[in-house]
Amino acid sequence: GNSVTQMEGPVTLSEEAFLTINCTYTATGYPSLFWYVQYPGEGLQLLLKATKADDKGSNKGFEATYRKETTSFHLEKGSVQVSDSAVYFCALSEYSGGGADGLTFGKGTHLIIQP
Amino acid sequence: ETGVTQTPRHLVMGMTNKKSLKCEQHLGHNAMYWYKQSAKKPLELMFVYNFKEQTENNSVPSRFSPECPNSSHLFLHLHTLQPEDSALYLCASSQDASMAAYGYTFGSGTRLTVV
Repeated sequence: GNSVTQMEGPVTLSEEAFLTINCTYTATGYPSLFWYVQYPGEGLQLLLKATKADDKGSNKGFEATYRKETTSFHLEKGSVQVSDSAVYFCALSEYSGGGADGLTFGKGTHLIIQP
Repeated sequence: ETGVTQTPRHLVMGMTNKKSLKCEQHLGHNAMYWYKQSAKKPLELMFVYNFKEQTENNSVPSRFSPECPNSSHLFLHLHTLQPEDSALYLCASSQDASMAAYGYTFGSGTRLTVV
């Protein structure tokens, strides 16, 4: 079955530091890949996505590149802010054609940015 | 406002109670999903409805009973729950199940505590 593995948290950084959150996946075919963000007390929001190999998703200064050869989709940001503190989820979607499989999520990485 | 509204935001219920969670979207989406979010575990897909038809039941115990009367509304009926069912229950929607690759819109969730 499909699975997503992401680095355990919490990850604590100082403001303006460089961020990398690792994500690797296992899938039987060619999934679409996503990063979602969850701020305290809220649901998940789509941050960025990539639908095929070598695509780069980007939004709000965050980037992630779909690497088929390493089955990875690492999230990066060059200079983090306190407002980026949240839980980040890596996810994949692989529509089987026979029914809806939904999104498969990683466990989430709690990011804490200190001023 | 995310476009997906869940009520109530918080719910405390005894193990012998019967309660329902409600999810509503006015995005014109045709697929709706229930996810369970527990501490330190990946999000768990519970149910999928596509064009009002249930297409996925991810081995969820019968004490959880979904209902989808139309494409805009989704309910999760709860009865004789256990303390381990305490979690954040998230509703999501997408254009349809085959369009999951474009991402979901999530509600803010219902925080359920079973006592």
